[in-house]
Amino acid sequence: QTVVTQEPSLTVSPGGTVTLTCASSTGAVTSGYYPNWFQQKPGQAPRALIYSITNKHSWTPARFSGSLLGGKAALTLSGVQPEDEADYYCLLYCGGAQPGVFGGGTKLTVL
Amino acid sequence: EVQLVESGGGLVQPGGSLRLSCAASGFTFTTYWMHWVRQAPGKGLVWVSRVNEDGSITNYADSVKGRFTISRDNAKNTLYLQMNSLRVEDTAVYYCARVRVGGDYSLWDYWGQGTLVTVSS
Repeated sequence: QTVVTQEPSLTVSPGGTVTLTCASSTGAVTSGYYPNWFQQKPGQAPRALIYSITNKHSWTPARFSGSLLGGKAALTLSGVQPEDEADYYCLLYCGGAQPGVFGGGTKLTVL
Repeated sequence: EVQLVESGGGLVQPGGSLRLSCAASGFTFTTYWMHWVRQAPGKGLVWVSRVNEDGSITNYADSVKGRFTISRDNAKNTLYLQMNSLRVEDTAVYYCARVRVGGDYSLWDYWGQGTLVTVSS
């Protein structure tokens, strides 16, 4: 069973830049894992941000970007805003019987 | 406007059953895989199950295999999750989500607002 690992928590100052990562226990994350990223604020449903590594949805703010970095999927926030404080989850497609595996989530604090 | 609206959650005793529904509107339901994802109180997201566009392919997380059944009624634009032999650890908010799958992409976009299932005696 694939385990997907994210940083449990990160803190960033307003206006700063932060990168969240998403690693697979089976090895390097590649394009075939089709990484998706989601934002979730307290009491709300998750909101999709990024799909298939780099692609943004029409509602995704320009300050969010996705990439592959050092064998992991990455979500970078540039020019962080206070409203970006939230939990962020990645999802990897692991194929076969595990089509979707979520990471444990990163709690991003803007301070 | 794309909408996914879950219903059917509630309080049930261990060993009991519930059927969740997810009513879809604002898009062509038959062109999307549909997934269920759950989130226990204070915990992270966990993938539960998925069904393909015509209902012929289904997959389940090991934790629910043999107890949960995903299905869809494309005539009614509705996704279902039949949950049997419920356990305390199934307590969670259950979300439905639509996913478009292509040759080189997997696109998760819209999610429902979730429905809470509480398993307790």
